[in-house]
Amino acid sequence: DARVTQTPRHKVTEMGQEVTMRCQPILGHNTVFWYRQTMMQGLELLAYFRNRAPLDDSGMPKDRFSAEMPDATLATLKIQPSEPRDSAVYFCASGFDSVQSRPQHFGDGTRLSIL
Amino acid sequence: RKEVEQDPGPFNVPEGATVAFNCTYSNSASQSFFWYRQDCRKEPKLLMSVYSSGNEDGRFTAQLNRASQYISLLIRDSKLSDSATYLCVVNPLHGSGNTGKLIFGQGTTLQVKP
Repeated sequence: DARVTQTPRHKVTEMGQEVTMRCQPILGHNTVFWYRQTMMQGLELLAYFRNRAPLDDSGMPKDRFSAEMPDATLATLKIQPSEPRDSAVYFCASGFDSVQSRPQHFGDGTRLSIL
Repeated sequence: RKEVEQDPGPFNVPEGATVAFNCTYSNSASQSFFWYRQDCRKEPKLLMSVYSSGNEDGRFTAQLNRASQYISLLIRDSKLSDSATYLCVVNPLHGSGNTGKLIFGQGTTLQVKP
């Protein structure tokens, strides 16, 4: 089965450091989504792309977060500088813009801890 | 008000019980509806889509009431392996058309006990 691949699976770093998370979407999918999940807020949509073009990043703190899709096989989410409140699980998902009967598939997530 | 609201639970039920989860959504133009399941420390996975006429998949039945903007999931004869968090998910329609964006509820936690 095709899967969304995320790296790294775990990341522990000190506040102020740059963090880069990577995602390889399922081949053929034309949408890519970045989510953040915490106990308090649940699953929040940070940003998403359609055909590699950013569509909406209103869920993302602009001053420190950035999301890019340099090619169809790679999406990145960067945090610079990182803060302890960024500690969460970050999921990437890919799918189609017409979701009926073709829903999103999630990667395993990156568990991020900022000390 | 959140776009998708669910009772967080937890629901603690014995094996074999029937349990129902409810969800409401605020965007009346929403197109598609789903239930996802998320196990502890795992990624969300699609459980089933929800169709206007209601649909069943084994022990699971999903219902949609567009007039009330309400979605439900019924689990019959619950198993220990059904213990998980169930996420109500809505695909809203915005001005730019359908972009595949999904809005997730907070999730309802189910614990099935022997």
